[in-house]
Amino acid sequence: DQQVKQNSPSLSVQEGRISILNCDYTNSMFDYFLWYKKYPAEGPTFLISISSIKDKNEDGRFTVFLNKSAKHLSLHIVPSQPGDSAVYFCAARYGGNTPLVFGKGTRLSVIA
Amino acid sequence: DTGVSQNPRHKITKRGQNVTFRCDPISEHNRLYWYRQTLGQGPEFLTYFQNEAQLEKSRLLSDRFSAERPKGSFSTLEIQRTEQGDSAMYLCASSLVAGFTGELFFGEGSRLTVL
Repeated sequence: DQQVKQNSPSLSVQEGRISILNCDYTNSMFDYFLWYKKYPAEGPTFLISISSIKDKNEDGRFTVFLNKSAKHLSLHIVPSQPGDSAVYFCAARYGGNTPLVFGKGTRLSVIA
Repeated sequence: DTGVSQNPRHKITKRGQNVTFRCDPISEHNRLYWYRQTLGQGPEFLTYFQNEAQLEKSRLLSDRFSAERPKGSFSTLEIQRTEQGDSAMYLCASSLVAGFTGELFFGEGSRLTVL
């Protein structure tokens, strides 16, 4: 059972425009949500997170929005840059002692 | 470089052979995780340690898999009698416990190919 779902395997965006990556989850017990970015031949790197008690968290060009009633979160990147081209994973956990559960990822291509 | 280090980066083996991967976490991190990633999938949790204690194992971790972290520092993941279905990227990650909000620091992974 896929508790964290990223239904778009890929997304293509023009440089300078907004990229919106989506993630849905099924477990209402999740208390933290994270986004990771992965370049080829590298391990995933942490990008941004949000607690379940918040609905928005912003860090520079990256903003994560959480809609608990819809069990949906999204990552907004604005403006998108070619260096943002990577696979983005949504992840979630329920409690400090549980491992992260990852989605399948969305491959973002930012076209110059 | 004080990041998470994994060795070997690539391993090609024949079905039925045993393989071992090593992970050196960030030195002050007391939690260490093993994940597996196959093509088109996100990282899937295998097991994790807090110091030397193995706290949780996924049902993905069959009895052919064993992980250790004997002194609470580096960890090894051994796969016995490898099968073609074991072909994957094996990712190690580490974190602190205190104030842990879920952020993991991943190594570059060890890619296993079973022929």
